[in-house]
Amino acid sequence: AQSVTQLDSHVSVSEGTPVLLRCNYSSSYSPSLFWYVQHPNKGLQLLLKYTSAATLVKGINGFEAEFKKSETSFHLTKPSAHMSDAAEYFCVVSDRFSGGYNKLIFGAGTRLAVHP
Amino acid sequence: GAGVSQTPSNKVTEKGKYVELRCDPISGHTALYWYRQSLGQGPEFLIYFQGTGAADDSGLPNDRFFAVRPEGSVSTLKIQRTERGDSAVYLCASSPEGHNEQFFGPGTRLTVL
Repeated sequence: AQSVTQLDSHVSVSEGTPVLLRCNYSSSYSPSLFWYVQHPNKGLQLLLKYTSAATLVKGINGFEAEFKKSETSFHLTKPSAHMSDAAEYFCVVSDRFSGGYNKLIFGAGTRLAVHP
Repeated sequence: GAGVSQTPSNKVTEKGKYVELRCDPISGHTALYWYRQSLGQGPEFLIYFQGTGAADDSGLPNDRFFAVRPEGSVSTLKIQRTERGDSAVYLCASSPEGHNEQFFGPGTRLTVL
């Protein structure tokens, strides 16, 4: 069975410092992996996705993630945090895409706080 | 273009009542998904539609929950005899055929008193 573990429930950084949100996955297949962000009272927004192309994936708003099969990790990073990055972040795994069916399995989430 | 919309945005009901939650997917998206997000947790899969048919309803918690998509566009999630444990945010997502990215709506916050 597929599963995702987000290693930190809360992360707090100062504005302008690097962000690291950690994620480990478990999958019987070659996985598709995603990071979604959820701002208060807003819908989930896709940050980036990995689907077996390049292992370093670049997303929106300066975020990127690196797929490391040997470590079963897909950590999310950003070189410099901005106040607007404060939100809940979800690491997500799915069965390998086939025929358009794609059941997403979410981690518990990491709440990112950014301080001035 | 318009994104996924969900109505109502908030629903408060009493234990034992029946509720319907509506999802309008992005026009042309053939796949539609429902998820449930309880407080402090990540969303959990409920049901998936490809066109009009429910291709996978393995996430529905029990037979009080039912969903339809009669014309392959709008979907309604129906909950009978609501319980306090049903309180959560219900999320809808859609995706175009041949794509694995899902576009989420803002959700319906259901509170069962």
